[in-house]
Amino acid sequence: SQTIHQWPATLVQPVGSPLSLECTVEGTSNPNLYWYRQAAGRGLQLLFYSVGIGQISSEVPQNLSASRPQDRQFILSSKKLLLSDSGFYLCAWEPRTGVGVYEQYFGPGTRLTVT
Amino acid sequence: AQRVTQPEKLLSVFKGAPVELKCNYSYSGSPELFWYVQYSRQRLQLLLRHISRESIKGFTADLNKGETSFHLKKPFAQEEDSAMYYCALSGDTDKLIFGTGTRLQVFP
Repeated sequence: SQTIHQWPATLVQPVGSPLSLECTVEGTSNPNLYWYRQAAGRGLQLLFYSVGIGQISSEVPQNLSASRPQDRQFILSSKKLLLSDSGFYLCAWEPRTGVGVYEQYFGPGTRLTVT
Repeated sequence: AQRVTQPEKLLSVFKGAPVELKCNYSYSGSPELFWYVQYSRQRLQLLLRHISRESIKGFTADLNKGETSFHLKKPFAQEEDSAMYYCALSGDTDKLIFGTGTRLQVFP
């Protein structure tokens, strides 16, 4: 069966420090991968998505970036964190069907607090 | 532009009462619509999609293209229905557009 992992589960980082959040998927190949930020009152905001290795689409301009070095690995990064980057980050995957959205499966999330 | 609106941040009902969580969308084509749910300390997960026309955990949702709505309904709420509910829209791309979510509280 397919599973999705995220780490770390929680992270406290000072302003200006770098960030690296990792997401990996097991049990599937060629998934679509997504990074979301979940904030109270703002719902789920899509940050990045990827339909293949090295293919990244950015939805929201910000100081975050994403990379997909391997088929089932998706990394969210920042060179210098801002206070506004605090939030709950969710990774999700979806079978690539080629026709719209099938169903997205979400990871457990990472709670990031920037101090 | 594709957009999903969930006008209620919080909906509180008593057990046994009917529930309707509102969702309106904006999309010029034929949408695919979903309801996702997040129970306390659990992962966000799919509850139902309009194309399946299923009833899941007693919940149903009908796509009304005239009113551009996809409201989630349940005739008799249970305490275990308390959760965060997100409506989501898929157009002709590989991404979902989520609403801001509605927290449902069901009191005993």
